Amino acid sequence: AQKITQTQPGMFVQEKEAVTLDCTYDTSDPSYGLFWYKQPSSGEMIFLIYQGSYDQQNATEGRYSLNFQKARKSANLVISASQLGDSAMYFCAMREASSGGSNYKLTFGKGTLLTVNP
Amino acid sequence: NAGVTQTPKFQVLKTGQSMTLQCAQDMNHEYMSWYRQDPGMGLRLIHYSVGAGITDQGEVPNGYNVSRSTTEDFPLRLLSAAPSQTSVYFCASSALGTGNGQPQHFGDGTRLSIL
Repeated sequence: AQKITQTQPGMFVQEKEAVTLDCTYDTSDPSYGLFWYKQPSSGEMIFLIYQGSYDQQNATEGRYSLNFQKARKSANLVISASQLGDSAMYFCAMREASSGGSNYKLTFGKGTLLTVNP
Repeated sequence: NAGVTQTPKFQVLKTGQSMTLQCAQDMNHEYMSWYRQDPGMGLRLIHYSVGAGITDQGEVPNGYNVSRSTTEDFPLRLLSAAPSQTSVYFCASSALGTGNGQPQHFGDGTRLSIL
């Protein structure tokens, strides 16, 4: 079974509107972390936001926020006031505290390609 | 302010050739890892290391070797390149610490083509 599922291969949004990118995860570990990364067409991986499984509040970083619903095992990324520069591939990733010999391994979803239209 | 540096950025190999992808970080991070990115597959972990002298396999280790002689460097070796290893390779590093919140910092990637 996939540990990270991103069901939207592609999304379109109008400039200045908000958009939600979906991410669901599967783990039996009570301690885990969820990350979102942005990959623009230039190829680099840019860290956006982090949510810990024990965090009481949803994470926010500028225009990025994470809609964390623990019981539903979802960690959706919300981008407010979209900009043309937000056009990129977005990856959701999870780190489990008990993953093998190191609890720092990341498991990635397959990504969502976001296109912001002017 | 270099962060994670990968070399080369592009490389074309012939089947059967060997090659080493270089990765260096200047943040004194204990954890380093290699991923490959293929279309529609996301990033998959090849090998990782939690410190000098310590390495372990990830999800797709076959055909790749690693070593970690220093904190800064974590080279990835292809012993006998195969077309299936055509991919974009990313090196990443992070600090070790309590909790799960240390983000991994990525290099800019190496685009590798095996003919």
